Amino acid sequence: GAGVSQSPSNKVTEKGKDVELRCDPISGHTALYWYRQSLGQGLEFLIYFQGNSAPDKSGLPSDRFSAERTGGSVSTLTIQRTQQEDSAVYLCASSLGGFRADTQYFGPGTRLTVL
Amino acid sequence: GDSVTQMEGPVTLSEEAFLTINCTYTATGYPSLFWYVQYPGEGLQLLLKATKADDKGSNKGFEATYRKETTSFHLEKGSVQVSDSAVYFCALIGGSQGNLIFGKGTKLSVKP
Repeated sequence: GAGVSQSPSNKVTEKGKDVELRCDPISGHTALYWYRQSLGQGLEFLIYFQGNSAPDKSGLPSDRFSAERTGGSVSTLTIQRTQQEDSAVYLCASSLGGFRADTQYFGPGTRLTVL
Repeated sequence: GDSVTQMEGPVTLSEEAFLTINCTYTATGYPSLFWYVQYPGEGLQLLLKATKADDKGSNKGFEATYRKETTSFHLEKGSVQVSDSAVYFCALIGGSQGNLIFGKGTKLSVKP
């Protein structure tokens, strides 16, 4: 079956522009996670969805970041007024139910470069 | 808050050598523990996991045992291959949101 897919795979943008990153989770997975991987910060958690709901947005680095999920499936992560420190690989993962024992399956990531 | 500490790399070994990558954690409650691997040019994938104390996770010749008394989950393999060259991440899930908390990763290079 299909795994988690993300688009675009690479995005180069200019400082100050807005970007949208997309994640298609594994069909039937109710839990969806966004993480960011950067050299300086390692792998850090951004936000979690159970269904269409994100109960806690405190992991988002700033109010320039927002995310939504529709139809219990596709999710988009939007970064407004991008800054150079936003450059990173953005990873999406999904799991069956969001329980502690559930395996999270990762997508290939979107590499974002802010010039 | 919850955290994971793993040995810093890089680690360079010869083929067929024994591998240990140390991982310790801090968490309230009873977290689930994971090892993820990232091969060059590829995405993160689960290597093994353990969800309760004394459980042993194993896959592809790798093993790790959930030790609550020492809050550890060390990764071991008896005989590494060149194809095991990758970055290995120890992680836990402990909080209410079910998100992974990762260690900083250990880069392993295996020479023929």
